[in-house]
Amino acid sequence: DVKVTQSSRYLVKRTGEKVFLECVQDMDHENMFWYRQDPGLGLRLIYFSYDVKMKEKGDIPEGYSVSREKKERFSLILESASTNQTSMYLCASSLFKGVAGIQETQYFGPGTRLLVL
Amino acid sequence: AQTVTQSQPEMSVQEAETVTLSCTYDTSENNYYLFWYKQPPSRQMILVIRQEAYKQQNATENRFSVNFQKAAKSFSLKISDSQLGDTAMYFCAFMKLTGTASKLTFGTGTRLQVTL
Repeated sequence: DVKVTQSSRYLVKRTGEKVFLECVQDMDHENMFWYRQDPGLGLRLIYFSYDVKMKEKGDIPEGYSVSREKKERFSLILESASTNQTSMYLCASSLFKGVAGIQETQYFGPGTRLLVL
Repeated sequence: AQTVTQSQPEMSVQEAETVTLSCTYDTSENNYYLFWYKQPPSRQMILVIRQEAYKQQNATENRFSVNFQKAAKSFSLKISDSQLGDTAMYFCAFMKLTGTASKLTFGTGTRLQVTL
């Protein structure tokens, strides 16, 4: 089974702090994603990566950055946390069979609930 | 840009009954995938069912089946013989096919409560 893990289930930070959220997958997936989940808004894509050191902005990248130095690890960085970044953050990964052009299902981690005070 | 609409924020069903969750989407693409994900309370998001747009046959997974109407851009989920463990938030999602990683566009979710 695919396993996607996130470094923390709950996190409390102060406004202005730099925050790191870590995600690790153990299935050698090329693609990794960061979403935030808010009530009434569903999940919205922040950033994604399709290879090591490669990244693309999602729908709401402002205030966030990402890092992917190793294939299995994808980090989300809040450079200066603000209260409007209080949310649930979900990481996901998927396999991309480039030759066949098959897009595989995304598998999700358990989520990190971040509270910024 | 793609949009996904789930018009039922909350639904309730009795155990052993059947319930249908609605989802509509808007796209100009011809090739895409559609998904239903389930998020139980305080638990991990998991895939329920997946449908490739080029397939005319509706996907089924045990008690879960979809009604995929491509022309109407509708993708509803039917849960038969509902069980207490089906209580969860259900998200409909659209995936446009690209040359690299393909993003999911989610609806706002339907909270399903299964009661005794």
